[in-house]
Amino acid sequence: EAGVTQSPTHLIKTRGQQATLRCSPISGHTSVYWYQQALGLGLQFLLWYDEGEERNRGNFPPRFSGRQFPNYSSELNVNALELEDSALYLCASSKRTSGNNEQFFGPGTRLTVL
Amino acid sequence: GQNIDQPTEMTATEGAIVQINCTYQTSGFNGLFWYQQHAGEAPTFLSYNVLDGLEEKGRFSSFLSRSKGYSYLLLKELQMKDSASYLCAVREKGGSYIPTFGRGTSLIVHP
Repeated sequence: EAGVTQSPTHLIKTRGQQATLRCSPISGHTSVYWYQQALGLGLQFLLWYDEGEERNRGNFPPRFSGRQFPNYSSELNVNALELEDSALYLCASSKRTSGNNEQFFGPGTRLTVL
Repeated sequence: GQNIDQPTEMTATEGAIVQINCTYQTSGFNGLFWYQQHAGEAPTFLSYNVLDGLEEKGRFSSFLSRSKGYSYLLLKELQMKDSASYLCAVREKGGSYIPTFGRGTSLIVHP
């Protein structure tokens, strides 16, 4: 069974640009979660999508947005990039009805803002 | 909200036992997770505790005390490949399925 996939692996942008990150969940998983992991910090929750809708949002500004497509894949968009947006962005998926809601993580996209 | 605290770094010797502690404060506990994350890789699920007590899985065990807001991850017969960051995450009641992660404990296993 294929795991969670993310693209691109690395992304380099300059301040003010926009970045688009992509995630494909495990087959059969309807929930997709986005996290930011900056150097020295824990995983910070960004967004949760399930069945095509945004279900929850972390404490991030509106320039962080995303969407979930009918095939449950997801995009994370970051507008007006700032230097502090440099981080590893992790996507995770889970079955919506799973009791322990175990999340399976993808390998991440390393975003560098210059 | 939640406050999750775990040591930043620990070192141990190959073959030994190490215990990584996690304390938390939450208004409504609804499960605690442990994840392992090797440098440059995705976190992988280790354990889930929702009731008090010890859950054992091979060389790894996880303990929970809800009254004390405390959990630990116990790693036995340490191997070099166990060098990684160990993340404690707590989920709250209230309909959200989103766990809040601690900053992680970096474990270094040396020969």
